[in-house]
Amino acid sequence: GEDVEQSLFLSVREGDSSVINCTYTDSSSTYLYWYKQEPGAGLQLLTYIFSNMDMKQDQRLTVLLNKKDKHLSLRIADTQTGDSAIYFCAGFDSWGKLQFGAGTQVVVTP
Amino acid sequence: DTEVTQTPKHLVMGMTNKKSLKCEQHMGHRAMYWYKQKAKKPPELMFVYSYEKLSINESVPSRFSPECPNSSLLNLHLHALQPEDSALYLCASSRVDRQGNEQFFGPGTRLTVL
Repeated sequence: GEDVEQSLFLSVREGDSSVINCTYTDSSSTYLYWYKQEPGAGLQLLTYIFSNMDMKQDQRLTVLLNKKDKHLSLRIADTQTGDSAIYFCAGFDSWGKLQFGAGTQVVVTP
Repeated sequence: DTEVTQTPKHLVMGMTNKKSLKCEQHMGHRAMYWYKQKAKKPPELMFVYSYEKLSINESVPSRFSPECPNSSLLNLHLHALQPEDSALYLCASSRVDRQGNEQFFGPGTRLTVL
């Protein structure tokens, strides 16, 4: 199955860029996803990348994929206080189930 | 309408109670999911319904009983729960149960078992 690892905590100052990293072991997922979860809320899909791409940009979000190293990252430009949340990377395992990383808590300080 | 709704938002129940969680979507999705999420942990898949039929049961104890009465509704019936079942229960839906189909999540029901 998909084993997905993430660093657990990131503190960033407002206006700076945030980079959240994720590594995975199973390469069977055609798509890799980034979800955001604000306190007390469900998961919101932020963006995704197709596995044959190495970069995708969507407004303030940039996803980088290094298939050789099985490394996925999410860069948030000009981080705002509203970006404070837990961010999960996710991919499908060989059984077709969506597997999530442990989640990275991002805290944005003024 | 691109929303998954869940009721209730919060639920407190005793170990002898019977209650139900409800989930609804009107996006025409034919796959619906129940996930359990403990604090500061990622969601864990419990059940998958595909075209109103149960396709995946992740060895969930029988005190959790899912039901999909039609393509828009998903229920989770709860009976004789334990305190360790306290968690956020998330419902999700996708167009079909296949890779590449975005899963839309509801806001969850926060369940406390006393």
